[in-house]
Amino acid sequence: AQSVTQLDSQVPVFEEAPVELRCNYSSSVSVYLFWYVQYPNQGLQLLLKYLSGSTLVKGINGFEAEFNKSQTSFHLRKPSVHISDTAEYFCAVSAPDTGRRALTFGSGTRLQVQP
Amino acid sequence: NAGVTQTPKFRVLKTGQSMTLLCAQDMNHEYMYWYRQDPGMGLRLIHYSVGEGTTAKGEVPDGYNVSRLKKQNFLLGLESAAPSQTSVYFCASSKGSLAFFGQGTRLTVV
Repeated sequence: AQSVTQLDSQVPVFEEAPVELRCNYSSSVSVYLFWYVQYPNQGLQLLLKYLSGSTLVKGINGFEAEFNKSQTSFHLRKPSVHISDTAEYFCAVSAPDTGRRALTFGSGTRLQVQP
Repeated sequence: NAGVTQTPKFRVLKTGQSMTLLCAQDMNHEYMYWYRQDPGMGLRLIHYSVGEGTTAKGEVPDGYNVSRLKKQNFLLGLESAAPSQTSVYFCASSKGSLAFFGQGTRLTVV
């Protein structure tokens, strides 16, 4: 089975500052890794994904994440945040080699961008 | 393309009542899922389906039933609603590694 830990439940940051949202996972098999964003009262939107290849993945809205296999981490970063980035962010994994396509989610990190 | 559509968007139930949530996708995806989202717990898998006529239990299946009679539809049923089932429910479908989510159903059980 897979599990995902998002170490910070809330991250306050000032506008135009950099931000890192942390994600660690546990799995005995290879995984695919994802970050989703949820704006208030909306569904989930895919930010970026890591399937294979380059460990640095770029997504939408200026976000990027780096897969670190030795540390089992997939931290999300943005060099300069905007007010509009205020949302909840979820890290998720799936285990394709097991045939399990369902996503296992972390508990979420609420990013609060302050002016 | 509508993608993944959930109905209803909001519902209030009394304890013991039953209801069915409908999920419809127009992308011809084989895999479909039902999740529930609770504060501080992320999304947890209730049931899923790998194709028409097949269903399987996820992490938190108790108190729910599902059916996949048609490939495009995945129904989630609550036979006797309990306050612990107050949550936001998300349906998703997937092709390959990509999952697409509906807008959610906010269910309150009083």
